[in-house]
Amino acid sequence: GQQLNQSPQSMFIQEGEDVSMNCTSSSIFNTWLWYKQDPGEGPVLLIALYKAGELTSNGRLTAQFGITRKDSFLNISASIPSDVGIYFCAGQLGAGGYQKVTFGTGTKLQVIP
Amino acid sequence: EPEVTQTPSHQVTQMGQEVILRCVPISNHLYFYWYRQILGQKVEFLVSFYNNEISEKSEIFDDQFSVERPDGSNFTLKIRSTKLEDSAMYLCASSREGLTEAFFGQGTRLTVV
Repeated sequence: GQQLNQSPQSMFIQEGEDVSMNCTSSSIFNTWLWYKQDPGEGPVLLIALYKAGELTSNGRLTAQFGITRKDSFLNISASIPSDVGIYFCAGQLGAGGYQKVTFGTGTKLQVIP
Repeated sequence: EPEVTQTPSHQVTQMGQEVILRCVPISNHLYFYWYRQILGQKVEFLVSFYNNEISEKSEIFDDQFSVERPDGSNFTLKIRSTKLEDSAMYLCASSREGLTEAFFGQGTRLTVV
């Protein structure tokens, strides 16, 4: 099956620092998604990417859909304490009709005030 | 803003009992999903549902699981005879079309004792 590996698994950063996390896949996807999950909550969609090479921003977040369609990165600039949580990348491979979301292994982010 | 809602937020049940987890997808969405997240692990796909039938299911979704859309708004997951290893956060999601991003509910934390 499709495997999505995220790195790093966890990270501690100082408030105000920039953060970068990556996601690589064993196979291609047509859509890349980044979600954030707070403890005890469901994943919340942050950014959706639909085209290879696409670079999209949402406030302090920037994500890119890799040219090979097998990878994506998420950057968070000027981190704040509420950025704490687990960030999941996810991929969809469309072939007409629906396609399930395959989740990555997650990156746990801790922000030190 | 429309959202996916799930009830209950927490459920404790005895091993062997049946449970029904409820979800109300976003109203104009056509594709519905259930995922499971065991504590501390990644989100795993269980089943997708479209046009009143299952589109795809994972190997986790065995005969003890079933899904139903009993009316125009609810989407349920039934676990017939719960086992200890069914303890997890169950996440419902919906998407407008199959190839668009999925939005998740807050989840139901199921604990089997």
